[in-house]
Parts: sequence; C-alpha cells; structure tokens
Amino acid sequence: EAEVAQSPRYKITEKSQAVAFWCDPISGHATLYWYRQILGQGPELLVQFQDESVVDDSQLPKDRFSAERLKGVDSTLKIQPAELGDSAMYLCASSLAGARYEQYFGPGTRLTVT
Amino acid sequence: QKEVEQNSGPLSVPEGAIASLNCTYSDRVSQSFFWYRQYSGKSPELIMSIYSNGDKEDGRFTAQLNKASQYVSLLIRDSQPSDSATYLCAANAGNMLTFGGGTRLMVKP
Repeated sequence: EAEVAQSPRYKITEKSQAVAFWCDPISGHATLYWYRQILGQGPELLVQFQDESVVDDSQLPKDRFSAERLKGVDSTLKIQPAELGDSAMYLCASSLAGARYEQYFGPGTRLTVT
Repeated sequence: QKEVEQNSGPLSVPEGAIASLNCTYSDRVSQSFFWYRQYSGKSPELIMSIYSNGDKEDGRFTAQLNKASQYVSLLIRDSQPSDSATYLCAANAGNMLTFGGGTRLMVKP
C-alpha cells in the first residue's frame, strides 16, 4: 500500500540550531502539505504545494521557516533558528489534486527543542 | 475565520455500544468533510470522507452530513477498546482544509 514517507521520526535540537524535515508523498499525488500539530490540538497548515508551486503559505513563519518542493515530488521543511515554541509534531500529507480530495498523512516528525 | 468545532471529550462508552462524535463548521461553502482517527503519539489516519448530504456507511463507521445545519457526525457501531483514540473532523473550502481540535473517545471493556 502506498504511503507518505517522512524522516526523521524524532528530532531533538537546541534552540538557535537549524533543523530540516523531509517528506516523500504518495506517488502521483500532486498536492503536498506540511502541518504542525501541538499536543491536544488539530493539525494546522503551514504550507501547501501544488506540484512545485506554493499554493498557500500564509501561516508559515517566514522569518525562520522555509519549504521547498523543487521537482514537484519530495519536499523539505527547514527551521532556522529553532525556538522552544517550535516543539511539536510536524506532519506531511499528500492528496491527488487539492484540498477537496482525501489527504493521507505520513508518520510525522516529533521535534523537541531544548 | 473559518472554524471547525468539536467537543474535546473525553467521550466514554462501554464496549459494544454506539459512539457518536459530532462536529460543526462555520464556512457555508465547505464541500468535503473528513474524519481522521489519531492514536496517541501517532499521525492522523483517514477513516471516512463524505461529500453529499445524508449518510455514508463503511463497515462499523457511518458518517452523516447535514449542510443546511453545517453539521457532520461519525457513528461507530459495536465500539471496541481498539477504537479508543482522538477523532479529528476536517472540512474543506476552496484550497483549505481546516481541522477541529478532536474528540477523545474512550471505549471501556
């Protein structure tokens, strides 16, 4: 069964350090999403790609976060510098074409900033 | 602001009972609705999608959508302890999918 791949699964970093997460969507899925989920809350969208183009990054803290999907397949989300408040689960999801369609999540990356 | 509201729970039901999870949404143009199950420490898993008014059944799960009342629900029949998890409701409008905060379900043996 096709799955969304993410790495690493866990990451511990010190504040002010840089951290990067990687995501490989389900093959054939044009839309890729990065979400952040704080314990006890629902996922919040950080950035949405349609192929290699950004569709929505209105909630992405652009002073420290960046995301790219250069060839329209896999994607990287970077935080530099990390802050204590960035500790959360970072989830990648993909769908066939747009948010109207079913989104499938990867296993997530649990980030702890110390 | 577009919102999806869920009671955070916990909702406690005995094994074998029907669990009823509810969700309301504020954006009238929402077109697609999804229910996800999330076990503690894991990522959300899609269990149901519904696009039209009425009921949609899949095994022990039934999703119900009422667009006039802006209400979507999930029924779980013959609840099992393995159903104990947080259930997330999500609504789509345009390019955006908005999640509720989730309802924690506890099924007691």
